[in-house]
Order: sequence, then structure tokens, then C-alpha cells
Amino acid sequence: NAGVTQTPKFQVLKTGQSMTLQCAQDMNHNSMYWYRQDPGMGLRLIYYSASEGTTDKGEVPNGYNVSRLNKREFSLRLESAAPSQTSVYFCASRALSPGRPRNTEAFFGQGTRLTVV
Amino acid sequence: QQPVQSPQAVILREGEDAVINCSSSKALYSVHWYRQKHGEAPVFLMILLKGGEQKGHEKISASFNEKKQQSSLYLTASQLSYSGTYFCGTAMIYNNNDMRFGAGTRLTVKP
Repeated sequence: NAGVTQTPKFQVLKTGQSMTLQCAQDMNHNSMYWYRQDPGMGLRLIYYSASEGTTDKGEVPNGYNVSRLNKREFSLRLESAAPSQTSVYFCASRALSPGRPRNTEAFFGQGTRLTVV
Repeated sequence: QQPVQSPQAVILREGEDAVINCSSSKALYSVHWYRQKHGEAPVFLMILLKGGEQKGHEKISASFNEKKQQSSLYLTASQLSYSGTYFCGTAMIYNNNDMRFGAGTRLTVKP
């Protein structure tokens, strides 16, 4: 079982460059998330997707866009990277849907360490 | 809407107990607890639900005060393996999909 897979694991960008972080889960989960983790700030929600075709903003969405390509995949795009976006990015998924117990935990990918210079 | 955790850091000796607190200003449906080791992804420990149901870890317990929107994680007879950063995650009643995490509590257990 792969669980939640993120690519790449490491990336260095120059200011102004763009890139897409990829996330895929094989657990048939409906809900998917992107968080960023900075020292002393914990995990902050960037965007989430409750189901295929829907996305919603979290706490810190500025500078990011997302796409829920299908049920398995949820990508995060930085259109014009800034040094303030240097962080570790985590993708997560949960099984939430009508008719299922609404008490399921989130599973996290291994993270993408992004440095913007 | 990010939940507030306290304390920020705890240092224990093996066998000692610790309590980590989490509070929210919003009405909660569930509280989730995770532990993260350095350089790794957060790992699930426990969920507490509105209404009292919980499931989780055999040596770690937690409580959820629905009236105060507060949760506490209890680590008893701590082991070296308990070291890491603990995060609480909260999902609101009005939107269970929106899950936010606190800033974390760094726990260090020394021999």
C-alpha cells in the first residue's frame, strides 16, 4: 500500500519560477488537503478538496492554486514562487462521504521540501 | 481558526507524565491528535468526537470538553519513543472537511 505519495521530495526554485507539486492517494478517499509547515507555525491549511471537482481555500491560499484532477490526485501550483513560500509542504487525505463514519483520520504524504532563492 | 495548543514545549524524564492542551474558538465536530518525528510525516494517534466517541492509541488517552471546545492529550509513563512534536487537528461542526492544526507541542523525553 502506497498510501499518499508526493512528488518531488525536494525542490529548489528561483524567485519568479513556477512549479506544481503532485499528490496522489490510493485509498479511495474523498477529501484531500495541502498544508505547509514552517518552524513554530505548525501545519497551516492552504487548500482542500472535499470531492472531485471541488476545492476550497484554507488559511493561507494566497500565491497558490490547486487542481483536483480526479479522485486520486490533488496538485498544488506556485505560479510565481517567492522566498516566503520556502517551506515543507504536506498533502493529506481522509475518507469522508455520506453514509460513512465521519470520524476518520488523515493520512499524510512524506512531504516536499521547497526552497525558493 | 487555527486551534491553540499549550505548552509549546515539554521536557520529561522517562516514566513521567505529560498533558498537552488544545482549544478552539469554533464549535468542533472532532479533535484529532498526531505525532511527528523530525523529518517525517505526522502520524495519527487519536480521534475524539462530539458525543464522546473516541478511538486511538493504547498507552495515550485524551479527553474532549464539548462545552469549552477543548481537548487534552495525556501521555502517561512516558517512553523515549514518545519524543516528537504533537499536533491537534480540529474539524468544525459546520464543515467537517475543513481541518486545521495547531502550532504543535515539542515533547522531549530523556533517559
